[in-house]
Amino acid sequence: DIQMTQSPTSLSASVGDRVTMTCRASQNINNNLNWYQQKPGKAPKFLIYVASNLQSGVPSRFSGSGSETDFTLTISNLQPEDFATYYCQQTYSDPYTFGQGTKLEIK
Amino acid sequence: QVHLAESGGGLVKPGGSLRLSCAASGFTFSDYYMSWMRQAPGKGLEWVSHISSSGTYTYHTDSVKGRFTISRDNTKNSLYLQMNSLRADDTAVYYCTRAASCGGASCLDYWGQGTLVAVSS
Repeated sequence: DIQMTQSPTSLSASVGDRVTMTCRASQNINNNLNWYQQKPGKAPKFLIYVASNLQSGVPSRFSGSGSETDFTLTISNLQPEDFATYYCQQTYSDPYTFGQGTKLEIK
Repeated sequence: QVHLAESGGGLVKPGGSLRLSCAASGFTFSDYYMSWMRQAPGKGLEWVSHISSSGTYTYHTDSVKGRFTISRDNTKNSLYLQMNSLRADDTAVYYCTRAASCGGASCLDYWGQGTLVAVSS
């Protein structure tokens, strides 16, 4: 199975900040990488596909980049509703594994 | 709009069985792969099973192979997960998800609200 490792595990930031979190795959996954946002007690929400493409309706302050094994999710001008846990997921090969998540907290 | 609604969760003893259902609406169900994800309390997301649009192809993660079976009924717009020989480490919220093609790759673009399965004596 492909292992996905996210860093940091948690991150503190303030409203208006720009934050970046990373996701590393244990092997080349091309750009078959998705990002999801999850708030406490809620189902995950799909944000980004194929590493850098925003799902319809996702604010433009979210952006993704990367290829092969290293990927980043950047959120510019943090808003209160952005404080959540973010998961990456590879869809290069079964099983479509997730990272362990990065929890973004208010400083 | 797309809506996925899981049901069938609950408290079950180790070794017991449960059948989860997911009612889909707002899209042509038979056009899409569907998947089950789970999330143990306080933990991350885990891919459990997926099934092709026709039901011909299925995949189960290693930890549930031989115990869980994913199926679907396209005439009822419904997805199922039969869970047998349940163990304590199967305790989780189980999510029904739609697997779409996004930029040529797979993505989970819609999720249900989840149903809790608790395995305990």
